[in-house]
Amino acid sequence: DAGVTQSPTHLIKTRGQQVTLRCSPKSGHDTVSWYQQALGQGPQFIFQYYEEEERQRGNFPDRFSGHQFPNYSSELNVNALLLGDSALYLCASSLGGVEYGYTFGSGTRLTVV
Amino acid sequence: AQRVTQPEKLLSVFKGAPVELKCNYSYSGSPELFWYVQYSRQRLQLLLRHISRESIKGFTADLNKGETSFHLKKPFAQEEDSAMYYCALRPSGGYNKLIFGAGTRLAVHP
Repeated sequence: DAGVTQSPTHLIKTRGQQVTLRCSPKSGHDTVSWYQQALGQGPQFIFQYYEEEERQRGNFPDRFSGHQFPNYSSELNVNALLLGDSALYLCASSLGGVEYGYTFGSGTRLTVV
Repeated sequence: AQRVTQPEKLLSVFKGAPVELKCNYSYSGSPELFWYVQYSRQRLQLLLRHISRESIKGFTADLNKGETSFHLKKPFAQEEDSAMYYCALRPSGGYNKLIFGAGTRLAVHP
């Protein structure tokens, strides 16, 4: 079991562009949460998807959106990229949204230039 | 405001010395508190939860609601304990998110 898989591992985008990040949860998990980790900071909650719906959202603008597919995989989309969106984006999967059962991925490093 | 504060960015100790990683939180309800750890080139993983009151790899943490603290302690540090440690809070009321502190890097020297 590969655990949580995220792609791509690294990405460079230009300000104003759009980006899509992908996450495959750990086998048996049905809930996907996304976190943004800026340099020198702890992860910050973006949103959580369960049963293909956004169940909980953090303090992020509407430029950040997501989707969950029937196979529980998920995408994070960011529109109109800003330099401040440069960060490590972490995906975490769990069963039924139980946080202490989180399994984290290695993350996608997004650089906006 | 819901906040987790880890006042030390870096804690440097020698092998065999006691370790205390500080964590203070700001929350009006009854949160769940966690410690997560990230070893070099590895993923973020759960170390322990206050509810379970267990000791993992020799680490313990006690929730002090009066001081709103959840400090992580180990009596004798080992070199393999060197890692990034994050304290996290889960708000009560069914909120499905974790609020993380900025993290403390623990460096254990031989």
